Amino acid sequence: DQQVKQNSPSLSVQEGRISILNCDYTNSMFDYFLWYKKYPAEGPTFLISISSIKDKNEDGRFTVFLNKSAKHLSLHIVPSQPGDSAVYFCGENRDDKIIFGKGTRLHILP
Amino acid sequence: DAEITQSPRHKITETGRQVTLACHQTWNHNNMFWYRQDLGHGLRLIHYSYGVHDTNKGEVSDGYSVSRSNTEDLPLTLESAASSQTSVYFCASSRDRVAEAFFGQGTRLTVV
Repeated sequence: DQQVKQNSPSLSVQEGRISILNCDYTNSMFDYFLWYKKYPAEGPTFLISISSIKDKNEDGRFTVFLNKSAKHLSLHIVPSQPGDSAVYFCGENRDDKIIFGKGTRLHILP
Repeated sequence: DAEITQSPRHKITETGRQVTLACHQTWNHNNMFWYRQDLGHGLRLIHYSYGVHDTNKGEVSDGYSVSRSNTEDLPLTLESAASSQTSVYFCASSRDRVAEAFFGQGTRLTVV
């Protein structure tokens, strides 16, 4: 049973608008959620994280929101830029290992 | 600069052969991981290690093994390569539970 679900395989957003990527999880016990960004032919790179005791974490254009009652988190990118076109993975860090979702491919349209 | 490197970057092997993918990190991280990336499946955890001589199975460990004889290296071995193991493999390391993992550039393995 998948622990971390990213139900949207792809998302297209106009440049300058807000991109919202979503992630659902099943386990209630976790330490952190992390978001990673991946370009083709490169390894994933860390983007932003949120601990289980917080509702929101912000870093520049990137904000992650955690809704524990709904077991849902989202990544907001504002404003979206062409370089944001990539695959985004949501990951649950529990017991020092990260379990990832299937990823969402984000296309930023000119 | 500290880094994590994987070798080879590309490999083609035949079904039934034993294959070893190398992963080396210079951060002195205790935690190391192997993932595979496949279309429709995202990143799946194969094996991981929390320190020297420690190894653990991940989500998709069948057909794979790892060993941790020092802090810097976690080689991944495919005992008898199968076509289903054609994939892109990523190694990663992290300092501790509050730190993010750093990934290598990946190894594209094709089993023919």
